[in-house]
Amino acid sequence: NAGVTQTPKFRVLKTGQSMTLLCAQDMNHEYMYWYRQDPGMGLRLIHYSVGEGTTAKGEVPDGYNVSRLKKQNFLLGLESAAPSQTSVYFCATYSRDRGYEQYFGPGTRLTVT
Amino acid sequence: DAKTTQPTSMDCAEGRAANLPCNHSTISGNEYVYWYRQIHSQGPQYIIHGLKNNETNEMASLIITEDRKSSTLILPHATLRDTAVYYCIVRSAGGTSYGKLTFGQGTILTVHP
Repeated sequence: NAGVTQTPKFRVLKTGQSMTLLCAQDMNHEYMYWYRQDPGMGLRLIHYSVGEGTTAKGEVPDGYNVSRLKKQNFLLGLESAAPSQTSVYFCATYSRDRGYEQYFGPGTRLTVT
Repeated sequence: DAKTTQPTSMDCAEGRAANLPCNHSTISGNEYVYWYRQIHSQGPQYIIHGLKNNETNEMASLIITEDRKSSTLILPHATLRDTAVYYCIVRSAGGTSYGKLTFGQGTILTVHP
């Protein structure tokens, strides 16, 4: 099992450009999350999904959109990137019925210049 | 979810026990204490969790005070690979929490040879 994978691993964007980060999981977990982590800080929740076709805002949702068209994938979009969105982005999954831990992906390091 | 307070950093000698404290004085009755760690910007990794009884697994032990206002994570024989940021998180077990985790800044544990 691959667990939780994230694509791409690194990306450099110019201000105003758009991009989509992909999170994929093979554990059939119903819940998925996108976090961002700024230097020296803990992770902050951007958006989350409790099932296919559903999404909800987290702590810092502004400037991001998400979609969960398939259970195994959770997409994070930046429509018009800003330097303040320079961060490391982590995806995580969780199953309420199968345990108590969130499983995290390896992260995507995004730099916006 | 209740707020947690952790020391910013701690040191430990290799082979000795590392005891990481966490204060969560506003914890409510249905909230669990979770510990995660993050090694060198990788995705966070689940360590252990508990409600009110002490817990032990292959990685660590969790000691929760009787009034549940504080807890201690114990790594019994710290190794260099245990150098990481350790996060103490309080989370409701209720359905409306949707498994969400709220990360603070954590404790930077440095294990010295």
